[in-house]
Amino acid sequence: NAGVTQTPKFRVLKTGQSMTLLCAQDMNHEYMYWYRQDPGMGLRLIHYSVGEGTTAKGEVPDGYNVSRLKKQNFLLGLESAAPSQTSVYFCASGKGQGGADTQYFGPGTRLTVL
Amino acid sequence: GQNIDQPTEMTATEGAIVQINCTYQTSGFNGLFWYQQHAGEAPTFLSYNVLDGLEEKGRFSSFLSRSKGYSYLLLKELQMKDSASYLCAVVDSNYQLIWGAGTKLIIKP
Repeated sequence: NAGVTQTPKFRVLKTGQSMTLLCAQDMNHEYMYWYRQDPGMGLRLIHYSVGEGTTAKGEVPDGYNVSRLKKQNFLLGLESAAPSQTSVYFCASGKGQGGADTQYFGPGTRLTVL
Repeated sequence: GQNIDQPTEMTATEGAIVQINCTYQTSGFNGLFWYQQHAGEAPTFLSYNVLDGLEEKGRFSSFLSRSKGYSYLLLKELQMKDSASYLCAVVDSNYQLIWGAGTKLIIKP
């Protein structure tokens, strides 16, 4: 039982490049989330999904896109990376009740945009 | 706007007790979480309070007062491994989690 996994763990991009971050969970959770974490700030929700085939915008969705084609996977895309997107990205999953249920986090992806 | 306040950093001594406070102003309330996050790692669940009062779980306890918009996390018999950031998060009326910036706890021998 791997829980929540994320790939890659580290990435360096140049401004304007694109990339996709992959999140996978094996707990059969309905809800999945993408957050970014920056120094001195709380976790900020980028996008989330309440089930396979659904996505919704969070607090800071601009510059990101997501897809949830399979229940166990949640992809985060950066179409044209900017230095402001340098951050640590965490994926999380939960059983239900939205944010009122415990969220289980992946190990994070450390992204630097030059 | 929605706001969660926690001290940025606290220092305590191994074996002692420390209380980390969290105050919140949110649109509605459907519960409050505490998560622990070691440096360079993912947050992990510590506690969830939805009713007023104290929840005890081993060396860790969490208290909630909904009328005061206040919670605290109490850590007893501190160990070096408790050095971490402690994140307070509130579930608002839309069942979205609003996160505080976290409190970095430094344990000294």
